[in-house]
Amino acid sequence: EIVMTQSPATLSVSPGERATLSCRASQSVSSNLAWYQQKPGQAPRLLIYDASTRATGIPARFSGSGSGTEFTLTISSLQSEDFAVYYCQQYNNWPQTFGQGTKVEIK
Amino acid sequence: EVQLLESGGGLVQPGGSLRLSCAASGFTFSSYAMSWVRQAPGKGLQWVSSITNGGGTTNYADSVKGRFTISRDNSKNTLYLQMNSLRTEDTAIYYCAKHRGNAYDYPFDYWGQGILITVSS
Repeated sequence: EIVMTQSPATLSVSPGERATLSCRASQSVSSNLAWYQQKPGQAPRLLIYDASTRATGIPARFSGSGSGTEFTLTISSLQSEDFAVYYCQQYNNWPQTFGQGTKVEIK
Repeated sequence: EVQLLESGGGLVQPGGSLRLSCAASGFTFSSYAMSWVRQAPGKGLQWVSSITNGGGTTNYADSVKGRFTISRDNSKNTLYLQMNSLRTEDTAIYYCAKHRGNAYDYPFDYWGQGILITVSS
C-alpha cells in the first residue's frame, strides 16, 4: 500500500497570502494524484486531479504541481472560504490512499 | 446537477448489521465506478470499497473484507453497502463517492453528504 504523507499538519496563513501544501508518496504514483478540500461538517470536494488539472468550478487561485513522489498544492491568495482541511490522494495503485490532511487556519 | 444521497445509517450494537444506500441522480449512473469512503470522528479519509460501473468487479479494504459487501442496482441508480459483524472501530461518517470514470483508477469527483454509523453497546 502506498503511504501518502502531507506536510505541514497545520498551516497558519493570513488572508491574501499564499499557501503551499506538500504531499509525498512512498513510491511513484506518476501524475495520478488528486487534492480535496473539506470544510467542517461537509463532504470533501475535488479541487485538482491528474496532479495539476483543476476540477469543474474550481477557482484559478488553486493550482497543483508535481509528479512521481512529490506534489504541491498552491493557493495563490487565500480567501476566507479557503480555510479548511486539504487531503491528497493517489489513485495510481490499488488501494487508493489518502494523506492525513493539512489544516489551513487563519493566522 | 449530480446528487448522491445516503441513507440507512444510525446506531447499531457491536456484531450487528446495517445496509447503507446511496441514491444517485444527475448523471448516467451505469457509466461510472462508485465507492464508499469513511471518516472516523476527527480523523482523515479512508477508502472502504469500490465497484465498477457494471458491478462486475468489487474491491475492499482489508479492514472490512469478509464483513462488508458493496453492490449496485443500475436500474434504480442506487449503490449499496451491506455491513455485517460491525465493530466499534467501524464508527464513522460513510460517504458515497462517484469516480470520474468507469473504473477504480480515477479520483472521486462527487461525494454524498455522508451518513453517520455509530457502533456502540
